Amino acid sequence: SQTIHQWPATLVQPVGSPLSLECTVEGTSNPNLYWYRQAAGRGLQLLFYSVGIGQISSEVPQNLSASRPQDRQFILSSKKLLLSDSGFYLCAWNGGKNTEAFFGQGTRLTVV
Amino acid sequence: DQQVKQNSPSLSVQEGRISILNCDYTNSMFDYFLWYKKYPAEGPTFLISISSIKDKNEDGRFTVFLNKSAKHLSLHIVPSPPGDSAEYFCAASLKGGGATNKLIFGTGTLLAVQP
Repeated sequence: SQTIHQWPATLVQPVGSPLSLECTVEGTSNPNLYWYRQAAGRGLQLLFYSVGIGQISSEVPQNLSASRPQDRQFILSSKKLLLSDSGFYLCAWNGGKNTEAFFGQGTRLTVV
Repeated sequence: DQQVKQNSPSLSVQEGRISILNCDYTNSMFDYFLWYKKYPAEGPTFLISISSIKDKNEDGRFTVFLNKSAKHLSLHIVPSPPGDSAEYFCAASLKGGGATNKLIFGTGTLLAVQP
């Protein structure tokens, strides 16, 4: 069966520090991968998606970047965190068009 | 620009009664719709979906209705035990790059089922 792992679960980082959140998927190959963010009082905002290794599409201009160095690995990064980067970050995968996406457990990021 | 909207941020229902969650969308290119349930500090879990060529899909206690002309969908949960208290998100699928689809989520509705 397929599983998705996301870590860490919680993270407190100072403003200006770098960020690296990692997501890996097991039990499938060539998944579509997604990063979402849930900010307080807002829905789930799509940040990035990837259809394959090295292929990243950005949905909104921001202080974050994403990379996919391996087929089942998706990384969310920042060189310098801002206070506004605080939120609940979720990684997800699906197997193709019009299929449900499966989510990781999320990372609560607090920038102080 | 919020393409998928859930205009009720919260909803309260009595245990055992029906819960009806609503969702509106603006983009006529959406061709697949989904509902997710989310508990605090956890990832969303998939509940039910519907293709744009259908107007109803039923799975156990969950029924989703789609009204394309009104660009509106709803999720009916019958009955509603207290364990259904959670945040519910609707999502719509839009073709992205390559062979993928992007899931655009609504703002969520917090459902409280009162015992």
